[in-house]
Amino acid sequence: AQSVTQLDSQVPVFEEAPVELRCNYSSSVSVYLFWYVQYPNQGLQLLLKYLSGSTLVKGINGFEAEFNKSQTSFHLRKPSVHISDTAEYFCAVSAGDYKLSFGAGTTVTVRA
Amino acid sequence: EAGVAQSPRYKIIEKRQSVAFWCNPISGHATLYWYQQILGQGPKLLIQFQNNGVVDDSQLPKDRFSAERLKGVDSTLKIQPAKLEDSAVYLCASSPSGLAGREQFFGPGTRLTVL
Repeated sequence: AQSVTQLDSQVPVFEEAPVELRCNYSSSVSVYLFWYVQYPNQGLQLLLKYLSGSTLVKGINGFEAEFNKSQTSFHLRKPSVHISDTAEYFCAVSAGDYKLSFGAGTTVTVRA
Repeated sequence: EAGVAQSPRYKIIEKRQSVAFWCNPISGHATLYWYQQILGQGPKLLIQFQNNGVVDDSQLPKDRFSAERLKGVDSTLKIQPAKLEDSAVYLCASSPSGLAGREQFFGPGTRLTVL
């Protein structure tokens, strides 16, 4: 079985500053990794995914993440955040059975 | 392309009452999932359908929760009777077949409040 740990429950950040959200996973088999964003009162929207290939993955809205197999991490980064990036961010992992296991989420609050 | 549709968006009921949620997945998506998201937590899988068959319902509290996916398209999730701890957002997601099925597409969710 897979599990995900999001190391920060809340991340306050100023507008135009960089942000990094940390995600570690555990699994005994090869994994596929995802970051989803959830805006208030909405469902989850995919930001980016790692299935195979390059370990640096670029997603929507200027986000990127790097898969590090040796450290079992998949940290999410954005070089300059906007007020509109205020949301809940979820890291998720799946293996052979296609089921997603989610972390507890990181709340990002962007301040002017 | 239309997304995953869910209704109702909000529901408030008394404990011990029953409630049903409806989900219409993206056209052509073979796999459908129901998740429960309790406030402050990540979504937790309740049940997974492949077409109209159940693939995994190991986390579904079967004494009070039931789900069906008739004709392999729409799905309904029911709770009877509801408990206070069932207050949560219920998310429906769908995915296509094959490797593309690694990505799940989520609906807006139904927020259930049990009083």
